[in-house]
Amino acid sequence: QKEVEQNSGPLSVPEGAIASLNCTYSDRGSQSFFWYRQYSGKSPELIMFIYSNGDKEDGRFTAQLNKASQYVSLLIRDSQPSDSATYLCAVKTGRRALTFGSGTRLQVQP
Amino acid sequence: NAGVTQTPKFQVLKTGQSMTLQCAQDMNHNSMYWYRQDPGMGLRLIYYSASEGTTDKGEVPNGYNVSRLNKREFSLRLESAAPSQTSVYFCASTGTALNEQYFGPGTRLTVT
Repeated sequence: QKEVEQNSGPLSVPEGAIASLNCTYSDRGSQSFFWYRQYSGKSPELIMFIYSNGDKEDGRFTAQLNKASQYVSLLIRDSQPSDSATYLCAVKTGRRALTFGSGTRLQVQP
Repeated sequence: NAGVTQTPKFQVLKTGQSMTLQCAQDMNHNSMYWYRQDPGMGLRLIYYSASEGTTDKGEVPNGYNVSRLNKREFSLRLESAAPSQTSVYFCASTGTALNEQYFGPGTRLTVT
């Protein structure tokens, strides 16, 4: 079992819709969670992080964490074609380096 | 404030050649990392350095060596390049307060 799992996609949503990206992790001791956006040919860019159960909102982005279910999600409201990218989930456990999922490719159709 | 910088941006090597990828950060971060990214594989950790003077192996260290030259610089060396090392290499550093990682622009390496 991979430590951090994501559906590779592509996830296709129409412009203006809500995109929902999901991530599960295997280590119950994981304490912090990150979402990165990566455009094709570019480096990953941090967009959200969350530590506590519940929701964290930043503009059009909402990160949701459920530690009991070992589940993290990212919601993108009012999706725009410029949101089309690969979204990487990353998890920090103890003193180890971040562990990344393989990413979900999002396509927002105009 | 340039963040994390990497050189070179592109490189083509022949099998058996050696090279060093350079990385520097100007954010006064203690921890630095080298990842490789292959299609469908996500980011895989090669080596990391939790602080100046220390280095540790990650998930895929074979065929690589690293040097933490000082707090700013962390280099990755391929002693004898192989086609399996064709990949995109990213350097990253970590902020101490929130553990968030910042990435460099990447080096696209092809080994023929």
